[in-house]
Amino acid sequence: EVHLVESGGGLVQPGGSLRLSCAASGFTFSSYSMNWVRQAPGKGLEWVSYITSSSSNIYYADSVKGRFTISRDNAKNSLYLQMNSLRAEDTAVYYCGRVMSGYLSFDYWGQGTLVTVSS
Amino acid sequence: QSVLTQPPSVSAAPGQKVTISCSGSSSNIGNNYVSWYQQLPGTAPKLLIYDNNKRPSGIPDRFSGSKSGTSATLGITGLQTGDEADYHCGTWDSSLSAVVFGGGTKLTVL
Repeated sequence: EVHLVESGGGLVQPGGSLRLSCAASGFTFSSYSMNWVRQAPGKGLEWVSYITSSSSNIYYADSVKGRFTISRDNAKNSLYLQMNSLRAEDTAVYYCGRVMSGYLSFDYWGQGTLVTVSS
Repeated sequence: QSVLTQPPSVSAAPGQKVTISCSGSSSNIGNNYVSWYQQLPGTAPKLLIYDNNKRPSGIPDRFSGSKSGTSATLGITGLQTGDEADYHCGTWDSSLSAVVFGGGTKLTVL
């Protein structure tokens, strides 16, 4: 069974940094592209970043470009999101999601981790 | 402001049918496949429809998707109280080189 478990969220001051992790199990992690998607309180989904299986292609939303870095360690079955220069508007639940093989759809999602940026 | 436009809310009675629209442009819906996600209260999103109209294994055929031009539609028949959730459409935007979502539609089953 596919499992994605996010961790690393918490309270951070504006301008601070946080590193999110997503532990994957139940599938061949190294064969799948992965994503981060966030959801601010009471708002819709916002895509954050996408990384291909071999890390050869990476994309970011304009709202996080230059501040966030996505990466993965296929040996550890793990996805990461390094978040720097955090702003109040980055406050959200962050989900990692697996990209469905052959399609640009997210077929499995983690339970999410809450990031709160506040002084 | 979301790139894709969805109605904030829709409602219908149990057993009835409802449709949820998702409007975009030629750079997103018009030239890319659309997905739909169901998000039950307090939970993570779940894939309902991919490739405009395909259902993943385990999704009942009460859920259907369609696309015409720069708009997509999610249909739900035989509404159940358990269908009360937020529904999100999403696709790739070729101009932005980004995944884009609608603002989400809250379905109430009266």
